[in-house]
Amino acid sequence: RKEVEQDPGPFNVPEGATVAFNCTYSNSASQSFFWYRQDCRKEPKLLMSVYSSGNEDGRFTAQLNRASQYISLLIRDSKLSDSATYLCVVTWGGFKTIFGAGTRLFVKA
Amino acid sequence: NAGVTQTPKFQVLKTGQSMTLQCAQDMNHNSMYWYRQDPGMGLRLIYYSASEGTTDKGEVPNGYNVSRLNKREFSLRLESAAPSQTSVYFCASIEVWGQGSGETQYFGPGTRLLVL
Repeated sequence: RKEVEQDPGPFNVPEGATVAFNCTYSNSASQSFFWYRQDCRKEPKLLMSVYSSGNEDGRFTAQLNRASQYISLLIRDSKLSDSATYLCVVTWGGFKTIFGAGTRLFVKA
Repeated sequence: NAGVTQTPKFQVLKTGQSMTLQCAQDMNHNSMYWYRQDPGMGLRLIYYSASEGTTDKGEVPNGYNVSRLNKREFSLRLESAAPSQTSVYFCASIEVWGQGSGETQYFGPGTRLLVL
């Protein structure tokens, strides 16, 4: 089993749709959780961190469920510009960082 | 303020050739990482440097060496390139948040390497 697993997609949604991505992790000692966004042939960039209490940034909401060991990302009112690959990232002590393989999103007009 | 820069952007090598990938950051971060990204596998950590003068192996270090000569620069060397090292290589500079609450990884634009 991979340490961090994501549904590879692709997710094809129309503009204005709500889309949710899930990510599961296997190490219960994991400490910090993030979502990164990667545009085609570009470098990853931090989208948002993920907390147990949930956090929201505009149309984006991230949630962590430690008991079930998964994190989620919800995008509301999808825009064409949201088309990208979304990477789930899990870290724990000692510079241990694991990236998921990513979920591809295509938002169509 | 350029952030993280990498050179070269593209490179084609023949099996057995050597090369060094350069990375520099101007954000005064202590920690820097080298990753490779392959289709369907996500980013995998090759080596990391927690601070100037220190380096450690990551998940996939075989076939690579690194050098952290100063705080700004962290280079990755392929001594004898193999087709399995065909990949996209990303360097990252790490901003650690206060009180261990998390971090932001700032990535360079990547180096696309093809080994024939």
